[in-house]
Amino acid sequence: DAGVTQSPTHLIKTRGQQVTLRCSPKSGHDTVSWYQQALGQGPQFIFQYYEEEERQRGNFPDRFSGHQFPNYSSELNVNALLLGDSALYLCASSPGAGANVLTFGAGSRLTVL
Amino acid sequence: AQKITQTQPGMFVQEKEAVTLDCTYDTSDQSYGLFWYKQPSSGEMIFLIYQGSYDEQNATEGRYSLNFQKARKSANLVISASQLGDSAMYFCAMRFLGSSASKIIFGSGTRLSIRP
Repeated sequence: DAGVTQSPTHLIKTRGQQVTLRCSPKSGHDTVSWYQQALGQGPQFIFQYYEEEERQRGNFPDRFSGHQFPNYSSELNVNALLLGDSALYLCASSPGAGANVLTFGAGSRLTVL
Repeated sequence: AQKITQTQPGMFVQEKEAVTLDCTYDTSDQSYGLFWYKQPSSGEMIFLIYQGSYDEQNATEGRYSLNFQKARKSANLVISASQLGDSAMYFCAMRFLGSSASKIIFGSGTRLSIRP
């Protein structure tokens, strides 16, 4: 039973570019949340998708956007990249928006030069 | 506002000893959940244990137990008989249970290193 899969695992971009990160949730899960984890810090909530809609959003600018597809997979898009966007981006899935336990993927490590 | 505080940036423990990782939280909500996650160097966050604010007994999961002291707003993780594989970052987290779509807030983490 595959868990949460994320792609790509590593990528390097330059300032001003745009990036798309992808996430496939665990089988049976319909809700996807995205977190940003800067080096040496805990994960920070970006947003959550359920039934193809953004249900809740953290304190992130509009440069961060997302999408959820009918098969429950999700994308995170970041426009106009800044050096400070360099981080590990974690995707987490759960069986429902109110589920207590999240299953995390291994993350996509983004480096912005 | 909800906040999680982990005051131990790093800890060294001898193998087979018990270890306590500290976590305090701040919230005005009455209904909330507390979590501990483990993050090895691979990056994946692994769920360890959960405690609901209305649970009267401390949660236990194998070698993990959560020392929940509601009045002190404390949710320490106790790992018994530590193993080399326990070396990792550990994060305390909290979620407000009053909403069907509620984010999980994480602390800054504690890096645990187990000595052989």
